[in-house]
Amino acid sequence: DGGITQSPKYLFRKEGQNVTLSCEQNLNHDAMYWYRQDPGQGLRLIYYSQIVNDFQKGDIAEGYSVSREKKESFPLTVTSAQKNPTAFYLCAIATGGSGNEQFFGPGTRLTVL
Amino acid sequence: AQSVTQLDSQVPVFEEAPVELRCNYSSSVSVYLFWYVQYPNQGLQLLLKYLSGSTLVKGINGFEAEFNKSQTSFHLRKPSVHISDTAEYFCAVRGATNKLIFGTGTLLAVQP
Repeated sequence: DGGITQSPKYLFRKEGQNVTLSCEQNLNHDAMYWYRQDPGQGLRLIYYSQIVNDFQKGDIAEGYSVSREKKESFPLTVTSAQKNPTAFYLCAIATGGSGNEQFFGPGTRLTVL
Repeated sequence: AQSVTQLDSQVPVFEEAPVELRCNYSSSVSVYLFWYVQYPNQGLQLLLKYLSGSTLVKGINGFEAEFNKSQTSFHLRKPSVHISDTAEYFCAVRGATNKLIFGTGTLLAVQP
């Protein structure tokens, strides 16, 4: 984390409501990613963006939407179409270059009641 | 297509004992491998990475991993664990378009 912030840390919503998770970075990196984590399933890629105003679906994009209007920000909206939205959501940036390591934010735990 | 298998969902070990967390991968392209650690309710922290060169990679907190191409493995080791090493550990391989493919994780439970 460090230069990657996610807010809030914990989020509660009623079923049927859309909710937007924030991811901000001040590291000046182009590539940003959203993952979902469920117990025993590791991390699964929802969406990613390699440059401003462009993004691609990951492996489990259904029920989610994103935008990338600024380099610093990559918000994720969990829509009412997502059947099982309760999970831990992680945002990451990639450093580029030959290593292109990904570094993660602290995460947001979403609970839908 | 790339994939990662972590066969052990949980590894119990006593404090000061050595530990090995297993990771096997499948990749049809150049192999870039990573180990991450996750403490409860936190994000993932990069422990170490293999991109090329020496097959023995040293990381933070005294961990190391060995890349074995013939066995398609990238096992994580530490000669003496501490209580503070209790966490979940994820192995990952970098796939097409720089996406990371993660294993399902191994919970390292260090007991006093």
